[in-house]
Amino acid sequence: DGGITQSPKYLFRKEGQNVTLSCEQNLNHDAMYWYRQDPGQGLRLIYYSQIVNDFQKGDIAEGYSVSREKKESFPLTVTSAQKNPTAFYLCASSIWDSNTEAFFGQGTRLTVV
Amino acid sequence: GQQVMQIPQYQHVQEGEDFTTYCNSSTTLSNIQWYKQRPGGHPVFLIQLVKSGEVKKQKRLTFQFGEAKKNSSLHITATQTTDVGTYFCAGPRTSYDKVIFGPGTSLSVIP
Repeated sequence: DGGITQSPKYLFRKEGQNVTLSCEQNLNHDAMYWYRQDPGQGLRLIYYSQIVNDFQKGDIAEGYSVSREKKESFPLTVTSAQKNPTAFYLCASSIWDSNTEAFFGQGTRLTVV
Repeated sequence: GQQVMQIPQYQHVQEGEDFTTYCNSSTTLSNIQWYKQRPGGHPVFLIQLVKSGEVKKQKRLTFQFGEAKKNSSLHITATQTTDVGTYFCAGPRTSYDKVIFGPGTSLSVIP
């Protein structure tokens, strides 16, 4: 089955700890994205990558880091520098050309206590 | 930078009523995409419009791309409870630019 997988679905962490969210796709897509969604809010772009070993900051990159060592994988690390990390995190992928649809993972709901 | 706005933010309708959400970009878009997110779910692609003035229909849903390629609308005829969710528009400035999402319109349908 082709698709994009995020894990875990729910994640709890103590304040001050870094946490890494996984995103894997087997759609052979070049572009991958991380969005943050807060209750009742839209999607805010954190980071995106259009090619392996390259990524760009989105609108709210502060307190986050990413890597793109493989085409299939785009993990997101939420660092202790992120002031309000509790949110719903969505990963997406698409063919590099933005004239195509984005496929979203199921999302990871992160709660920091 | 590029901004994409949507109105209204929330809409409550009686089942059977029509619903429209409007999307406006601060810059010309290469294309406009619409997504639907059910409560507790993830966004799912509905459609893409590319040409100026383009209109596309999917059963009870009608999508329109403005002549200036800066605005778009989604109209649902005779809403059903299955239409509940948040509708997002999204678009890049150019074909190889990042896609910017609007804040979404949350639709509630009262049976």
